[in-house]
Amino acid sequence: ILNVEQSPQSLHVQEGDSTNFTCSFPSSNFYALHWYRWETAKSPEALFVMTLNGDEKKKGRISATLNTKEGYSYLYIKGSQPEDSATYLCAFDNFNKFYFGSGTKLNVKP
Amino acid sequence: DTAVSQTPKYLVTQMGNDKSIKCEQNLGHDTMYWYKQDSKKFLKIMFSYNNKELIINETVPNRFSPKSPDKAHLNLHINSLELGDSAVYFCASSLGQGEAEAFFGQGTRLTVV
Repeated sequence: ILNVEQSPQSLHVQEGDSTNFTCSFPSSNFYALHWYRWETAKSPEALFVMTLNGDEKKKGRISATLNTKEGYSYLYIKGSQPEDSATYLCAFDNFNKFYFGSGTKLNVKP
Repeated sequence: DTAVSQTPKYLVTQMGNDKSIKCEQNLGHDTMYWYKQDSKKFLKIMFSYNNKELIINETVPNRFSPKSPDKAHLNLHINSLELGDSAVYFCASSLGQGEAEAFFGQGTRLTVV
């Protein structure tokens, strides 16, 4: 079983703050790294799929970077808003086999 | 139009019963998955099917059996339910190749009493 770790476990920020969190994964047998946003009582929603070392992807105020050699990815949120409150999951994709981290629960206070 | 739909959303049943959870996707995806969310909120893969064929079968009890009647459906049958089977089960689908994101269903909360 592959170990995918996310930190911190939870994060409380004020509206307008920028924040980031980490996903660590094995650097061998890498196929892709996925980031998901998961709101309570809803299903996980895909944010990014990253495959290349050095990849950087952006969607609005959210961006992510990837380092496959050292096995980590960062997710950044610029100017957090209350609607960004959710759990952010990363998943290590070992070709059709997703190994999820435990998530970072973000709470943005107005 | 829901992309990945699971039924039922909630299932309460007694120990020893046999139950099924259905999953359907209308995205034309080739690959479907079942995940179990454990007590620590981890999503753990149970099964993966590609074009109706089983490609991943993680270490789950034999009481759990997936069935894929066609590419758009992957149902989960559970025999002789135990208390420890209580969890939220998520179905997902993806194109299964390249940068293929997975689309998840809403989850089925199974409670065994």
